Amino acid sequence: GQQVMQIPQYQHVQEGEDFTTYCNSSTTLSNIQWYKQRPGGHPVFLIQLVKSGEVKKQKRLTFQFGEAKKNSSLHITATQTTDVGTYFCAGLWYNAGNMLTFGGGTRLMVKP
Amino acid sequence: EAGVTQFPSHSVIEKGQTVTLRCDPISGHDNLYWYRRVMGKEIKFLLHFVKESKQDESGMPNNRFLAERTGGTYSTLKVQPAELEDSGVYFCASSTQGQSEQFFGPGTRLTVL
Repeated sequence: GQQVMQIPQYQHVQEGEDFTTYCNSSTTLSNIQWYKQRPGGHPVFLIQLVKSGEVKKQKRLTFQFGEAKKNSSLHITATQTTDVGTYFCAGLWYNAGNMLTFGGGTRLMVKP
Repeated sequence: EAGVTQFPSHSVIEKGQTVTLRCDPISGHDNLYWYRRVMGKEIKFLLHFVKESKQDESGMPNNRFLAERTGGTYSTLKVQPAELEDSGVYFCASSTQGQSEQFFGPGTRLTVL
């Protein structure tokens, strides 16, 4: 079946360091979404990428969609303690409706 | 605007018992989704309603799970009889027609002993 692989599973960083999480699909995606789940919380939508090679920024967060629409990354510059949580990518495929297929998530821990 | 709500927030039951989870989507959202996260694993799709119709139930694990959305408003997910492996967090999400972004509820943490 369709799967999205996400790495790393965990990441500890010192506050101020950068952080990147990567997602990969073996087949071409229609689009990819990113969600953040704070500890004890629920997934909250961050962004959707649709176009090949697309790059979007939200303050310190930079989202990229690969040229082949098979991979994506989320990069956080100069992490803060408020960035703590689990970041999930979720893929959508053509002709597969609205069913989101989530990656395993990357749990980010930030040491102050 | 009120978000997606789910009830109960936690449920602890014994193996073999029945549990019913409820989800109230954002008002006006035709799309309603159920997902589940078993501990240590990824969030997995269970099913998708468009109004009262099941659009996609390919993720439902087996016939012990029954989802309904009578009237196209709130939805229930019943597990009968519950098994140990059903433990996890059950999320509901909703979206409007043509919108990809899904709004998640707080989840119901189900523990089957």
